[in-house]
Amino acid sequence: NAGVMQNPRHLVRRRGQEARLRCSPMKGHSHVYWYRQLPEEGLKFMVYLQKENIIDESGMPKERFSAEFPKEGPSILRIQQVVRGDSAAYFCASRPRVVAGADTQYFGPGTRLTVL
Amino acid sequence: SQQGEEDPQALSIQEGENATMNCSYKTSINNLQWYRQNSGRGLVHLILIRSNEREKHSGRLRVTLDTSKKSSSLLITASRAADTASYFCATDGLQGAQKLVFGQGTRLTINP
Repeated sequence: NAGVMQNPRHLVRRRGQEARLRCSPMKGHSHVYWYRQLPEEGLKFMVYLQKENIIDESGMPKERFSAEFPKEGPSILRIQQVVRGDSAAYFCASRPRVVAGADTQYFGPGTRLTVL
Repeated sequence: SQQGEEDPQALSIQEGENATMNCSYKTSINNLQWYRQNSGRGLVHLILIRSNEREKHSGRLRVTLDTSKKSSSLLITASRAADTASYFCATDGLQGAQKLVFGQGTRLTINP
């Protein structure tokens, strides 16, 4: 049973380019979360999605950032016109449907974005 | 909004000693979880304790939760060099099944 998969693991972009980060949740998991981690800091929530729906995007910057979780395929976090401040590690987490005892979120290895 | 804060920020001990890390948060929670992160890697889930539980064990890990003080502690007994990592607490609010709020983490170094 493969864990949460993220790709690419490392991504380098120049200012103004677009970054696309992908997340494949664990098999059977229909809830996906994206978090961002700046150096020497804890993770900060960005967005929570279920298949084809954004449930909570309260942690997403108002501009340039978007996320989707289509019916088929991975969840995508898209950052347009990247700036140096976007450099961070972006983690995806998944968990099964909302049932008793299914609170644990399982994290992927992260994508480390560097903006030059 | 709730926020987990760990202390100490950094802890360095000798192999074989016990390591204790603390976490405080601000609002009522559904559960509290501890994660480990090795340098430059992803997060590994260690243990989850629910708001109606006071103590939980898993191998060399012991977690306590005091909801009246809004605090939790993680104890690692008989530490090993492989325990060197950053440890984060994360709280899940009363609405449940939603976003985790992470603390800043404790960087633990185990010296051989």
